[in-house]
Amino acid sequence: DTGVSQDPRHKITKRGQNVTFRCDPISEHNRLYWYRQTLGQGPEFLTYFQNEAQLEKSRLLSDRFSAERPKGSFSTLEIQRTEQGDSAMYLCASSPQGTVGTGELFFGEGSRLTVL
Amino acid sequence: AQSVTQLGSHVSVSEGALVLLRCNYSSSVPPYLFWYVQYPNQGLQLLLKYTSAATLVKGINGFEAEFKKSETSFHLTKPSAHMSDAAEYFCAVIPGGGGNKLTFGTGTQLKVEL
Repeated sequence: DTGVSQDPRHKITKRGQNVTFRCDPISEHNRLYWYRQTLGQGPEFLTYFQNEAQLEKSRLLSDRFSAERPKGSFSTLEIQRTEQGDSAMYLCASSPQGTVGTGELFFGEGSRLTVL
Repeated sequence: AQSVTQLGSHVSVSEGALVLLRCNYSSSVPPYLFWYVQYPNQGLQLLLKYTSAATLVKGINGFEAEFKKSETSFHLTKPSAHMSDAAEYFCAVIPGGGGNKLTFGTGTQLKVEL
């Protein structure tokens, strides 16, 4: 299967701990996105990369959040000093060059975070 | 700011009945509009999209949507529901002019009953 993969699928942590999620996009896709989805809401944009460059960050991405895509392939999303409000599904998506404006993103199954 | 509103967080239909999921957008310029579907334990996938070509757009699995500028709507329909259509459906928008930063609605959970 060559879809977008995310790891781990589920993470339970205690408040104050750091967590890191990994996303492996479809191999030929140069754009990578992170979204957050809470219960009863649609996905909310967090940030996106074109190759290794982080081109846009949402105001939802507080200083405790950091995303990287060091070699333009996989990406990590780290949350430091987690809070209960960080509990959500974190979605990763990718798209190839040339699809700008088409809105066709390929999503992974998500990483569910529960902060106790 | 561009946004979409989905009316009805839960919709229930009988198998074989018409499916109608509502989406209205707010935009000062013609946007690009999308419907995504999320089946249980799967990632979101694109169902169909409107990008200023034909106003009636056909998607996968027999779904279609019509862009109506006068009503600022982009409702999703399917003539005959199937049990396999049970899923959560999200309307989404990109501001006119392009980009890939989707803004999603809150979703509609579709239940299909025998």
